[in-house]
Amino acid sequence: EDKVVQSPLSLVVHEGDTVTLNCSYEVTNFRSLLWYKQEKKAPTFLFMLTSSGIEKKSGRLSSILDKKELFSILNITATQTGDSAIYLCAVEAYDYKLSFGAGTTVTVRA
Amino acid sequence: EPEVTQTPSHQVTQMGQEVILRCVPISNHLYFYWYRQILGQKVEFLVSFYNNEISEKSEIFDDQFSVERPDGSNFTLKIRSTKLEDSAMYFCASSVVGLYGYTFGSGTRLTVV
Repeated sequence: EDKVVQSPLSLVVHEGDTVTLNCSYEVTNFRSLLWYKQEKKAPTFLFMLTSSGIEKKSGRLSSILDKKELFSILNITATQTGDSAIYLCAVEAYDYKLSFGAGTTVTVRA
Repeated sequence: EPEVTQTPSHQVTQMGQEVILRCVPISNHLYFYWYRQILGQKVEFLVSFYNNEISEKSEIFDDQFSVERPDGSNFTLKIRSTKLEDSAMYFCASSVVGLYGYTFGSGTRLTVV
């Protein structure tokens, strides 16, 4: 059975801090790893990673994948209160099905 | 920006009743999915749909569930006889294969009483 484990489950930081979220996986027929941000409702797409060692960046967010060690990290620098959300890691297999981790709840205090 | 649209946003139904959750995927997407998230739990895959048929389904997607693409734009999830444990947020998603990840709809919160 495919397995996606995120850590930590939750964290609280202050504005301006940097956070690092972890995602490890065991998936048969890996295709890609995706990061989503979930606030009130729908997960919104952040990154899709398919190749090891290539960092993807979007503003203050960045992510990298290690296909040898089977993990990914998501970094958020200079956090703002608007970054408070659940961050979901999902792994896509070749059948296009996503397996989600339980998520990391990030709370950014002013 | 294109969106996946889901209706209704919230549905309350009595146990044993049938419900149909509706989704309009992004028009040029080819793969369609239903996921659900029980309150406080992880997002779970239900079913994927491609070329007018189910391509993959999970153990959750038993005989009580069915999907349909009745008219080339809508994508529906039907639960024939709802149970209390079907209460969850149901997300529809669609994708262009492997290119940009999935786009999720804003969800339908189903409450079975």
